Amino acid sequence: AQTVTQSQPEMSVQEAETVTLSCTYDTSENNYYLFWYKQPPSRQMILVIRQEAYKQQNATENRFSVNFQKAAKSFSLKISDSQLGDTAMYFCAFMIAGTYKYIFGTGTRLKVLA
Amino acid sequence: GAGVSQSPSNKVTEKGKDVELRCDPISGHTALYWYRQSLGQGLEFLIYFQGNSAPDKSGLPSDRFSAERTGGSVSTLTIQRTQQEDSAVYLCASSPSLTAGGTQYFGPGTRLLVL
Repeated sequence: AQTVTQSQPEMSVQEAETVTLSCTYDTSENNYYLFWYKQPPSRQMILVIRQEAYKQQNATENRFSVNFQKAAKSFSLKISDSQLGDTAMYFCAFMIAGTYKYIFGTGTRLKVLA
Repeated sequence: GAGVSQSPSNKVTEKGKDVELRCDPISGHTALYWYRQSLGQGLEFLIYFQGNSAPDKSGLPSDRFSAERTGGSVSTLTIQRTQQEDSAVYLCASSPSLTAGGTQYFGPGTRLLVL
């Protein structure tokens, strides 16, 4: 079975500091895609960053970057220069190539403190 | 509209009643997806549509759940004879095409509470 584990239910970080959210997954497939989504209190899921498993280079999007370790099946998210607007629930997800459904973790609630 | 919209935003119903949840995808998006988000459970895939057809219904939890899509646009998720365990946020997403690994754009969800 495909699973995603986010071992940190809650985290907090001071504004302007850096925080890393962890994510591990389990699959026997070799081709897949990995995602981090942000869900603020408005409930709307917003894509933060996306990584193709066949690419070794870690994806980056402005203040957001990932550390993708394929052998370890790890996909952590680093948020640099944290801002109050980063306060949200963060979900890690993956999608097997050729399928169309995300498999999500249970989420990490991040609070950025002023 | 600019994004995926869902209605109602919140729904409270009594056990045993039927409910209909509506999703309006982004204009022009051919693929549409339904997910359920239960407290502390993450998001669970329910069903997806390519156009009006649903090739994969494997995620529907029971035969009380059904979904349809008409005109390649609006979709309705129907839950018959609701149970308390159906209480959750139901999220809809759409994408320009059915491209594996492609980004899905989510709506704000419908929070369903079954008393």
